[in-house]
Amino acid sequence: GDSVTQMEGPVTLSEEAFLTINCTYTATGYPSLFWYVQYPGEGLQLLLKATKADDKGSNKGFEATYRKETTSFHLEKGSVQVSDSAVYFCALSLTDSWGKFQFGAGTQVVVTP
Amino acid sequence: DTAVSQTPKYLVTQMGNDKSIKCEQNLGHDTMYWYKQDSKKFLKIMFSYNNKELIINETVPNRFSPKSPDKAHLNLHINSLELGDSAVYFCASSHGTVTYEQYFGPGTRLTVT
Repeated sequence: GDSVTQMEGPVTLSEEAFLTINCTYTATGYPSLFWYVQYPGEGLQLLLKATKADDKGSNKGFEATYRKETTSFHLEKGSVQVSDSAVYFCALSLTDSWGKFQFGAGTQVVVTP
Repeated sequence: DTAVSQTPKYLVTQMGNDKSIKCEQNLGHDTMYWYKQDSKKFLKIMFSYNNKELIINETVPNRFSPKSPDKAHLNLHINSLELGDSAVYFCASSHGTVTYEQYFGPGTRLTVT
């Protein structure tokens, strides 16, 4: 079945460090890919998305490129801040899935001053 | 201005009770969802409604019953609550069901004692 695999956390970084969170997927069709962020005590917020191969999504300094050949959608940020501490979820959605999202397990990121 | 709202934010109740969670969206979306997030942050879809019609009904106990009185509202009623129902329940909405991003509510933390 369709699935998303994310690197396990927690990922602990110092402020201004480079962040990468790996995400790979398995899908029977051509999914759209998303990164969501969940700050403590809050709901999920869409961070970025990509709907076809080689698309790059970007927002708030975060980027991810849809790589069909490696079935990956890794999230990167060049210089993290303490305010980036959150749980990050990779997700996929297929066109014939009635909006059913498949989420990864989430990766907790902790940024220290 | 809240896009997707849920009430209550916290719900503490005893085993065997019946409770409801309400969700409302003011985004003009036609599709709404219920997700369950367990203690390890794993997110799983439970139900989805499109134009008040149930389109996703995952394998959940039939003690859980969603109801959509109109496109802007989706409620979740849970009968005979069990300890294992303790989780955070998120409502979400989207425009259509094909690859569109979903907007999440703040969540309802249900604790069954």
